[in-house]
Amino acid sequence: GAGVSQSPSNKVTEKGKDVELRCDPISGHTALYWYRQSLGQGLEFLIYFQGNSAPDKSGLPSDRFSAERTGGSVSTLTIQRTQQEDSAVYLCASSLYDRGQPQHFGDGTRLSIL
Amino acid sequence: AQTVTQSQPEMSVQEAETVTLSCTYDTSESDYYLFWYKQPPSRQMILVIRQEAYKQQNATENRFSVNFQKAAKSFSLKISDSQLGDAAMYFCAYRSAQGGSEKLVFGKGTKLTVNP
Repeated sequence: GAGVSQSPSNKVTEKGKDVELRCDPISGHTALYWYRQSLGQGLEFLIYFQGNSAPDKSGLPSDRFSAERTGGSVSTLTIQRTQQEDSAVYLCASSLYDRGQPQHFGDGTRLSIL
Repeated sequence: AQTVTQSQPEMSVQEAETVTLSCTYDTSESDYYLFWYKQPPSRQMILVIRQEAYKQQNATENRFSVNFQKAAKSFSLKISDSQLGDAAMYFCAYRSAQGGSEKLVFGKGTKLTVNP
């Protein structure tokens, strides 16, 4: 497809389980971002990948959160031992690596922890 | 660290009228980018307009325009001839132009309702 694709669209899981969220960026976009949007809040930066450079992990809220990007394309965000406060919409975005280029967002994954 | 503030949690406008959404930001940097994104109930963030801080001219995209006041660190969005499809959450965002992370810093958003 032409846009950023995220899966699943919705995920419901029990507290303590691990979850994996997937992001497929726009072809040719070397920069990839993950954000979290809690209810009624703006977006909170989690992690940023750019090409083969070391990712910027400064936004990850705890060591239960990790992300990888394989082959410079698809990315997976993993949350281990989920907690209720992890419930949120997780949005992925990609962009060309050029100053000021806008980020293009996917539809997000709504994660609900029971 | 940069911060973005949207002081209006909710706004409403009559169809065909004009509405202005406020955004202020705090930064010590001189070069940066500012964005307005729209988020309808579908959740997807859609770019509305962007502004480079080094440009004095205010950006315009069809019915959307900004009032960028660099000294005041203000970046408001004006929507003219409002349409029902404009109803959404609107987020103001800041992005540094310096090296390092390219992350966006977002405000908490303004919910815009368009009344027929």
